[in-house]
Amino acid sequence: DSGVTQTPKHLITATGQRVTLRCSPRSGDLSVYWYQQSLDQGLQFLIQYYNGEERAKGNILERFSAQQFPDLHSELNLSSLELGDSALYFCASSPGLSGGETQYFGPGTRLLVL
Amino acid sequence: GENVGLHLPTLSVQEGDNSIINCAYSNSASDYFIWYKQESGKGPQFIIDIRSNMDKRQGQRVTVLLNKTVKHLSLQIAATQPGDSAVYFCAENNYGQNFVFGPGTRLSVLP
Repeated sequence: DSGVTQTPKHLITATGQRVTLRCSPRSGDLSVYWYQQSLDQGLQFLIQYYNGEERAKGNILERFSAQQFPDLHSELNLSSLELGDSALYFCASSPGLSGGETQYFGPGTRLLVL
Repeated sequence: GENVGLHLPTLSVQEGDNSIINCAYSNSASDYFIWYKQESGKGPQFIIDIRSNMDKRQGQRVTVLLNKTVKHLSLQIAATQPGDSAVYFCAENNYGQNFVFGPGTRLSVLP
């Protein structure tokens, strides 16, 4: 158990809908990272937050957004969903600011868009 | 569990044998590397890391080798066990930038 929690574990929705994925980092970790894992793209970095502020952006679509709250949990919002958004979404956390620290991953949310 | 990477390269080894999983990384400036293990239905799990000022690092039953000349990273697992069956990813990092993950290798341990 990495100490990172994610909810829900599974999510099934329809195209055009909006969903919110939730992540709680390890105790004491200030950075949260979101990743998308699909069959053809592997593990892709989406976005990083540090202590409530956006720190780095990767391959995140404009339809997607995230935020980190004062209690350090984070939410990833996916809107206008398309079939191709079906994937596993992972959250990871690390203690500090640098993207070069070891990241500990949560169990993931499996999103299926029908 | 979910089908992570249906078309991943697969390494099959006999239980008790040693496994070697290879990774070619892309950025010669990368200075920090991690191996992750991902079991079906779970998130990637940290196994071992190495910084670019080293060429070898050992953990419990695992060894990571780094060859910067050819941009190659390997993970050696001694006395492979059925519980080692998983997908293994290498990840590279360049001076605090975010990690870039390799495509993964599926390790299958045969009884």
